[in-house]
Amino acid sequence: AQTVTQSQPEMSVQEAETVTLSCTYDTSENNYYLFWYKQPPSRQMILVIRQEAYKQQNATENRFSVNFQKAAKSFSLKISDSQLGDTAMYFCASNTNAGKSTFGDGTTLTVKP
Amino acid sequence: DARVTQTPRHKVTEMGQEVTMRCQPILGHNTVFWYRQTMMQGLELLAYFRNRAPLDDSGMPKDRFSAEMPDATLATLKIQPSEPRDSAVYFCASAKPGTEQNIQYFGAGTRLSVL
Repeated sequence: AQTVTQSQPEMSVQEAETVTLSCTYDTSENNYYLFWYKQPPSRQMILVIRQEAYKQQNATENRFSVNFQKAAKSFSLKISDSQLGDTAMYFCASNTNAGKSTFGDGTTLTVKP
Repeated sequence: DARVTQTPRHKVTEMGQEVTMRCQPILGHNTVFWYRQTMMQGLELLAYFRNRAPLDDSGMPKDRFSAEMPDATLATLKIQPSEPRDSAVYFCASAKPGTEQNIQYFGAGTRLSVL
């Protein structure tokens, strides 16, 4: 069984600043994947970044990076140089080899001008 | 540009009516997921299929919901009879486990309102 916990229902950040969204997870799988998805007001779920659990190196995609702490089962998302278009709900998810995902409850991020 | 297509985008219906939502997965993806998103419950997995066979539908109310894959290019989610508490956004996602780190690609969703 998998669980994903996002403890921050809402966060805000000033434009151009950096913000970190928290996520912790639990899984009995040895091999799994972790994801951050973004859901803007359009409702479309967009993949932001992904991390294979067997890789120690933290994933990075432009302004988005993760801090993956496998022993602590923590997978936080850092957004650098925040932009107004980053305003959205962000979901953390874990995924087994079989493909089934478990999503957290989401964090609503507001970027303020 | 490969994408998951869901129809309709919006559906308003009256309580008791049958609702059918459709999903066309990305070509070549053999796993299809149905999710429901509400303010109260967040994103819930209703059911998922692998190679058109249901693998897990434990999240789905069996008395009124049914999910099928008539063929590899079409997945359907039916509610009969619909109730106001079914009002939500329903997402379909597809994936090809074992490739691309098991990424699920989501459709744009069907916003269902049951009056």
